[in-house]
Amino acid sequence: DAGVIQSPRHEVTEMGQEVTLRCKPISGHDYLFWYRQTMMRGLELLIYFNNNVPIDDSGMPEDRFSAKMPNASFSTLKIQPSEPRDSAVYFCASSSGTGLQKETQYFGPGTRLLVL
Amino acid sequence: AQKITQTQPGMFVQEKEAVTLDCTYDTSDPSYGLFWYKQPSSGEMIFLIYQGSYDQQNATEGRYSLNFQKARKSANLVISASQLGDSAMYFCAMRERDGGFKTIFGAGTRLFVKA
Repeated sequence: DAGVIQSPRHEVTEMGQEVTLRCKPISGHDYLFWYRQTMMRGLELLIYFNNNVPIDDSGMPEDRFSAKMPNASFSTLKIQPSEPRDSAVYFCASSSGTGLQKETQYFGPGTRLLVL
Repeated sequence: AQKITQTQPGMFVQEKEAVTLDCTYDTSDPSYGLFWYKQPSSGEMIFLIYQGSYDQQNATEGRYSLNFQKARKSANLVISASQLGDSAMYFCAMRERDGGFKTIFGAGTRLFVKA
């Protein structure tokens, strides 16, 4: 079975440019999560969706960040304009959300973003 | 206040020996789940093991077991018969019932397995 798919795997861009990260969750999973991982702050939840609807975006750092989930099989995280401090690994994860806490989040391979 | 605390930034273990990675948590929610993830140098996050707050027995998955001490709010990961491939970062995480699907991660412990 295919796991969570993220693209691109690596992204290098210049400050001020728009960056779009993409995620395809595991088929049948109702929940999708975006995380950011840095050395200083560890793994932070940015936003999560349930049935394509954003449920909690309190972790989104500022208005430069936006996330969408137009359908059950695709989500994007956009940074516009990007800044060097946005450099991090961005993970997408999905979960089947049966209501049981046992439903684990399965992570994609991550996108390594470097903003120069 | 930190909800998940991993006090060991780094650990060394000899190959084939057992190692315990510590994790303590803080919650007032009686219903919660605890997770451990492994992150090798390649960067992916791999789910290892789960423990529910109402589970009567400690969770086990192959060489991984979770030493769950509810009264002490600790959920230590035990890896038996360490292998070189176990060298990685290990994260403890918690999800509270009242927190929806929001999972909180600890800072991680880097494990080094020596040959």
